[in-house]
Amino acid sequence: EIVLTQSPGTLSLSPGERATLSCRASQSVSSSNLAWYQQIPGQAPRLLIYGASSRATGIPDRFSGSGSGTDFTLTISRLEPEDFAVYYCQQYGSSPYTFGQGTKLEIK
Amino acid sequence: QVQLVQSGAEVKKPGASVKVSCKASGYIFTGYYIHWVRQAPGQGLEWMGWINPNSGDTSYAQKFQGRVTMTRDMSITTAYMELSSLRSDDTAMYYCARSGYFYYMDVWDKGTTVTVSS
Repeated sequence: EIVLTQSPGTLSLSPGERATLSCRASQSVSSSNLAWYQQIPGQAPRLLIYGASSRATGIPDRFSGSGSGTDFTLTISRLEPEDFAVYYCQQYGSSPYTFGQGTKLEIK
Repeated sequence: QVQLVQSGAEVKKPGASVKVSCKASGYIFTGYYIHWVRQAPGQGLEWMGWINPNSGDTSYAQKFQGRVTMTRDMSITTAYMELSSLRSDDTAMYYCARSGYFYYMDVWDKGTTVTVSS
């Protein structure tokens, strides 16, 4: 089973700042089969990024993904108030399709 | 529009079973997988398995093998997840979500709360 470790656990930033979230895999994720989701408390997760770097439909271009192998990054270029949420990475290259434990992005 | 709608909240006793439904609309039901993901209170996301509505094939996480059964009824474009031998640590929000051939999940429902308590 591939274990995904996200860092930091909590990130405190202000609107307008840049956010960088990390996701590290215990073994290589095949074909960059990595996705990022946003979850606002009380809501279902929302797909942001798939294939490590492709934005899902309707996702603003301030969200970008990068990485390959075992190291992946989600970057939010300029934080908007609605971006403060919990973010999860997920690998879907090898069953079971595991999630990271999440990074909480909170307003500073 | 593309939509998944799950059944309502459930309260079950330990040892019982629960069956949650997920009705799909707005797209070709047999063209996409349905996944089940759960989230215990205050915790992260846990993938349980998928069903291919076209073939009925399933794939379950080993953790749930023997306790989970995923089925579908194509006539009413609905997928089901049944979890048996419930324990208190099965208390969680259960989500159904859609994926294509690559198993990232692009459409989710709001979830179904399952509470296991004596």
